[in-house]
Amino acid sequence: AIQLTQSPSSLSASVGDRVTITCRASQAISSALAWYQQGPGKAPKLLIYDVSSLESGVPSRFSGSGSGTDFTLTISSLHPEDFATYYCQQFNSYPLTFGPGTKVDIK
Amino acid sequence: QVQLVQSGAEVKKPGASVKVSCQASGYTFTSYSLHWVRQAPGQGLEWMAMINPTAGSTTYAQKFQGRVTMTRDTSTSTLYMELSSLRSEDTAVYYCAREGRFGDGESMEKLDYWGQGTLVTVSS
Repeated sequence: AIQLTQSPSSLSASVGDRVTITCRASQAISSALAWYQQGPGKAPKLLIYDVSSLESGVPSRFSGSGSGTDFTLTISSLHPEDFATYYCQQFNSYPLTFGPGTKVDIK
Repeated sequence: QVQLVQSGAEVKKPGASVKVSCQASGYTFTSYSLHWVRQAPGQGLEWMAMINPTAGSTTYAQKFQGRVTMTRDTSTSTLYMELSSLRSEDTAVYYCAREGRFGDGESMEKLDYWGQGTLVTVSS
C-alpha cells in the first residue's frame, strides 16, 4: 500500500497567515492526490483534487501543487473558518490511503 | 442537490455484526462508485471499501477482507456496509462517500460528497 506522510502534524497560526502543509507519498502517484478539510465533529470536505484542481465552491485562497511524491496544500490567508484538520489522500492505487492529518489551530 | 444520508448510531457487543446504510439522492445512483471510510476516536481517516453500483463489484482493504461486506439496493439508491466479528478497535465513525466522475464515466479521483457519519460503538 502507498503510505502518505504529512508535515507538520500540527501548527498554530493567526488569521491572515499563509499556511503550507506538505504531503509525501512512499512512491510516485502521478496526479492522483486530493486534499480534505475536516472540522470537529464534521465529515471531511473536499478542497483540492488532481493535485491542483479546486473543487467547486471552495475559496481560491486554497491551492495545491506538486508532482511525483511531494505535494503541498497552501492557504494564502487564513480565515477563522479554516482552523481544522487537513488530510491528503491518494487515488493512484488501491487500497486508497490518507495521510495522518495536519491540525491547524489558532495561535 | 446530492445527499448521502446515513443510518443512526449503533452500539454492539464484541463478536456481533453491524450493518450501516447510506441512502443517496440528487443524482443517478448507478453512475457513481461509493466508498466507506472510517475514523476512530481522535484518529485519522481509514479507507475500507468501494463498490461499483452498476456492476456490484467491490474492492476491500486487505485489513477488512473477510469481515466487511458492501452491498447496494439500486431500487432504493441505498448502500450498505456490514462489518462482522466486531471488536473494540472497530469503534469509529463510519462515512460513506461518493467518487466523482466525468461525463464519460472516468473517475475524477476524488471523494466529492460525504454522508454525515454513523458512530458505531463496540462495547461489552
